[in-house]
Amino acid sequence: AQTVTQSQPEMSVQEAETVTLSCTYDTSESDYYLFWYKQPPSRQMILVIRQEAYKQQNATENRFSVNFQKAAKSFSLKISDSQLGDAAMYFCAYRSADFGNEKLTFGTGTRLTIIP
Amino acid sequence: GAVVSQHPSWVICKSGTSVKIECRSLDFQATTMFWYRQFPKQSLMLMATSNEGSKATYEQGVEKDKFLINHASLTLSTLTVTSAHPEDSSFYICSARAFTEAFFGQGTRLTVV
Repeated sequence: AQTVTQSQPEMSVQEAETVTLSCTYDTSESDYYLFWYKQPPSRQMILVIRQEAYKQQNATENRFSVNFQKAAKSFSLKISDSQLGDAAMYFCAYRSADFGNEKLTFGTGTRLTIIP
Repeated sequence: GAVVSQHPSWVICKSGTSVKIECRSLDFQATTMFWYRQFPKQSLMLMATSNEGSKATYEQGVEKDKFLINHASLTLSTLTVTSAHPEDSSFYICSARAFTEAFFGQGTRLTVV
């Protein structure tokens, strides 16, 4: 079974600064997807960024980028120019690429606080 | 992006009664939907996978007779918490896959008194 580990329960960053959230995972599969989701106080899950394991290039979405190290099974999220609206719980998640095994396995989450 | 609508957003029920939560895919068809449970300040734990036209697949430790799942159409899955007890109080979230992404409902906060 796959596991996802987020070792930082809480992080804080000054507004406009950069912060990196860590995530490691364990799997025996070679093809899979990794995600970062944001859960603000409304508790609506919002997809931040996605990475396909077969792609070597790190995914980027505006101020959000990942550092995907497949051999190390590491998938960190970098948030640049942090904004007050970035304050939320961030969950790292894994999904197999196998058709029919589409469930997401989540990490325990990192609560991100933005300091004005 | 695709929209998943979950209803109700919150519900309070008396111990021993049953509560139904609906999850709808509004602009796409979902043969598979997922039901998660989230305790305060914790992660999402998968409860079951809902398959259209067939029985749901439950994760280990989840009581299928207590958490009844019905996926009768390509756009609707329901979760019924039967004979609810205070320990069933939690935040329940559904999701459905559209293309390669999972889209989530707004969640339902269930309080059993």
